[in-house]
Amino acid sequence: KNEVEQSPQNLTAQEGEFITINCSYSVGISALHWLQQHPGGGIVSLFMLSSGKKKHGRLIATINIQEKHSSLHITASHPRDSAVYICAVLLRETSGSRLTFGEGTQLTVNP
Amino acid sequence: DTGVSQDPRHKITKRGQNVTFRCDPISEHNRLYWYRQTLGQGPEFLTYFQNEAQLEKSRLLSDRFSAERPKGSFSTLEIQRTEQGDSAMYLCASSLGYNEKLFFGSGTQLSVL
Repeated sequence: KNEVEQSPQNLTAQEGEFITINCSYSVGISALHWLQQHPGGGIVSLFMLSSGKKKHGRLIATINIQEKHSSLHITASHPRDSAVYICAVLLRETSGSRLTFGEGTQLTVNP
Repeated sequence: DTGVSQDPRHKITKRGQNVTFRCDPISEHNRLYWYRQTLGQGPEFLTYFQNEAQLEKSRLLSDRFSAERPKGSFSTLEIQRTEQGDSAMYLCASSLGYNEKLFFGSGTQLSVL
């Protein structure tokens, strides 16, 4: 079982829909990252969270440390949001800076 | 453009050949990371540097793999005697320090024939 689980693996939405991607992890963490990866490999860091909620434009990320769960929400989705969204955690036990990644959620937003 | 550059973008090589990739991090970032990603999977940690010191290596990093970061600036990742299983996207990332935002390069796609 992976230490970081994402759901769903694939998500197709119509433009304008509200989208939620979930991430669950099984161990104590120092921080959680949400990343966006476009075709061709480029990864962009969207959020880094250790508690609560962060908002940037149409993107909102929340984390519940007690429940070991985070969500990424996209409001008013647009075709340009189509990408793979990856959750990654910095494990508390790790002495270094090793991130453990989920397998990603492939989001497709149709016009 | 995140400010982290990787070279080359693509590399095709024959099995048994050696390959070397380069990563230029954001200049003031003292942490540099290498990850490997195969199709449909999330990235996997390979190794990281704090300045010029290599502080952690994954079990994935067999003795055919070596990474350096001379003078704490750019880094190189060399794979000797490449195998078909080495085919993957090799990603570099940098950060200011522990638990800081990561900035990723565009990756080097390696294909071993």
